[in-house]
Amino acid sequence: GQSLEQPSEVTAVEGAIVQINCTYQTSGFYGLSWYQQHDGGAPTFLSYNALDGLEETGRFSSFLSRSDSYGYLLLQELQMKDSASYFCAVRGGGNKLTFGTGTQLKVEL
Amino acid sequence: GAVVSQHPSWVICKSGTSVKIECRSLDFQATTMFWYRQFPKQSLMLMATSNEGSKATHEQGVEKDKFLINHASLTLSTLTVTSAHPEDSSFYICSASPQVTDTQYFGPGTRLTVL
Repeated sequence: GQSLEQPSEVTAVEGAIVQINCTYQTSGFYGLSWYQQHDGGAPTFLSYNALDGLEETGRFSSFLSRSDSYGYLLLQELQMKDSASYFCAVRGGGNKLTFGTGTQLKVEL
Repeated sequence: GAVVSQHPSWVICKSGTSVKIECRSLDFQATTMFWYRQFPKQSLMLMATSNEGSKATHEQGVEKDKFLINHASLTLSTLTVTSAHPEDSSFYICSASPQVTDTQYFGPGTRLTVL
């Protein structure tokens, strides 16, 4: 089966740095994606790692270690608008995405 | 670029009726579209994969005769929830991929409430 575990909730202050971890067990793996979802909205693509290492896109970075079946999303210079749910998702065969349990990020003043 | 739309954005229906949800890729051709369901405070669960011109592939536990999928063109896929019941009330989200190896772009979702 497939399983992706994330912390259920993370709280941080505006301007801080926060890391959201994702550990996975899947039968097929082509890469790890990260999506942001605000309440009532659609998931928005943030980042994708197919290979080990760090990918940086503006304030967001994502890391992958395939040997450890582990990845994380790093958000820097947190802003209030970053308060949302964040999902990791494994891309498997047929371009299917299996989503993680989701992390609710709360950014406080 | 890579915009996906869904219609309707929300729908309320009576138990026993059927509801059709449309998913369109507006500025690209989508050889593959995916349908997800998301219950409140939960993750997205893949329901089915829709390939243009061929039968959809439903995930284990998803009844293909209850959740009918049609992908008649490279820009349109439809999901029909047949004989809807209150337990089918959920947020239905589609995604589209320009090619099988490309990123999935998500539609805004359709909130279905079955009374």
